Amino acid sequence: AQSVTQLDSHVSVSEGTPVLLRCNYSSSYSPSLFWYVQHPNKGLQLLLKYTSAATLVKGINGFEAEFKKSETSFHLTKPSAHMSDAAEYFCVQGDSWGKLQFGAGTQVVVTP
Amino acid sequence: GAGVSQSPSNKVTEKGKDVELRCDPISGHTALYWYRQSLGQGLEFLIYFQGNSAPDKSGLPSDRFSAERTGGSVSTLTIQRTQQEDSAVYLCASTDTGTSTDTQYFGPGTRLTVL
Repeated sequence: AQSVTQLDSHVSVSEGTPVLLRCNYSSSYSPSLFWYVQHPNKGLQLLLKYTSAATLVKGINGFEAEFKKSETSFHLTKPSAHMSDAAEYFCVQGDSWGKLQFGAGTQVVVTP
Repeated sequence: GAGVSQSPSNKVTEKGKDVELRCDPISGHTALYWYRQSLGQGLEFLIYFQGNSAPDKSGLPSDRFSAERTGGSVSTLTIQRTQQEDSAVYLCASTDTGTSTDTQYFGPGTRLTVL
């Protein structure tokens, strides 16, 4: 069975500093991996997805993630945090039929 | 263009009552998914519809939950004899083909509160 582990439930960063959100996956086959963001009282929005075309995936709003098969990781990064990045972030794995399994989420707080 | 819409946005009901939640997917999308987001369980898959195939109900938590999709478009999730643990945000998503690499487009959700 596949599972997704987000290693930090809560991350606090200062505006302008880098953001790192950690995610490990477990899968017996080549996974489809996603990062979604959920702003307060808003719907889920796709940040980026990995579909085996390239290991470094660039997404919206300056986010990117690197797929590392040897480490079964798919960490999300952004060089410089903005106040508008405060939200909850979900690492997600999809199965062959597109059913998504979500990590527990990481709450990001950005301080001025 | 129009995204996924869900109604109602909020629903408050009494324990034991039945509720129906509606999802309108993006026009032309063949795959439709229901998920539930609750404090205790996080985000979890409930049910999946793909075209005219039999739905994948493997995520439904009990037989009080059922869903249908009429005409390959609108879907209704029904919860019978609601319990307090059913309180959650119910999310619907659709994709154009239902494969592993598709982007799922989520609706805003229905917040269900069972008193």
